[in-house]
Amino acid sequence: KAGVTQTPRYLIKTRGQQVTLSCSPISGHRSVSWYQQTPGQGLQFLFEYFSETQRNKGNFPGRFSGRQFSNSRSEMNVSTLELGDSALYLCASRGLLDYEQYFGPGTRLTVT
Amino acid sequence: GEDVEQSLFLSVREGDSSVINCTYTDSSSTYLYWYKQEPGAGLQLLTYIFSNMDMKQDQRLTVLLNKKDKHLSLRIADTQTGDSAIYFCAESDTGGFKTIFGAGTRLFVKA
Repeated sequence: KAGVTQTPRYLIKTRGQQVTLSCSPISGHRSVSWYQQTPGQGLQFLFEYFSETQRNKGNFPGRFSGRQFSNSRSEMNVSTLELGDSALYLCASRGLLDYEQYFGPGTRLTVT
Repeated sequence: GEDVEQSLFLSVREGDSSVINCTYTDSSSTYLYWYKQEPGAGLQLLTYIFSNMDMKQDQRLTVLLNKKDKHLSLRIADTQTGDSAIYFCAESDTGGFKTIFGAGTRLFVKA
């Protein structure tokens, strides 16, 4: 079974731009969560989608948004990028066993 | 609010046992996890334990949970150089919708 895939793996953007990251969950998984990982703040929960609906949300500004498609693929969008948005963005998917969460390799975003 | 704390570094010799400790604050935590992250990679789920369990063993890994003290530990037996990585402790409530992670413990294994 293929794992969680994220595209692109690396991205460089300029302050003020916007960016869209993509995540394809493990086949059959309907829940997708997004996390931001930085050296200073560690791993922080952004949001979670299940069956195209946002089910839970972390404490991030409205510039961070997401969506999920009917095939469970998810996208995360960050608008008006700031230098502090430079991070590794990780996506994770869950199947029927809610407590088992599998992570993708991440997208490393650098904002200059 | 919820918080998960763990020491930042641990250094062991190859062949020794490693013990990584973690404390959490949320008494409603239902699931507790250990993840491993190697350089440039995502997080790998190593093992998990339910809050109604005291211990779980999986090959070289032993997880101990002291619910009264809200203390979780991961013991790696016969530690190998390939075990060098960052280990994250995490907790989530029933349903596991929102997972709170510790800052990670960087394990160095000396040959």
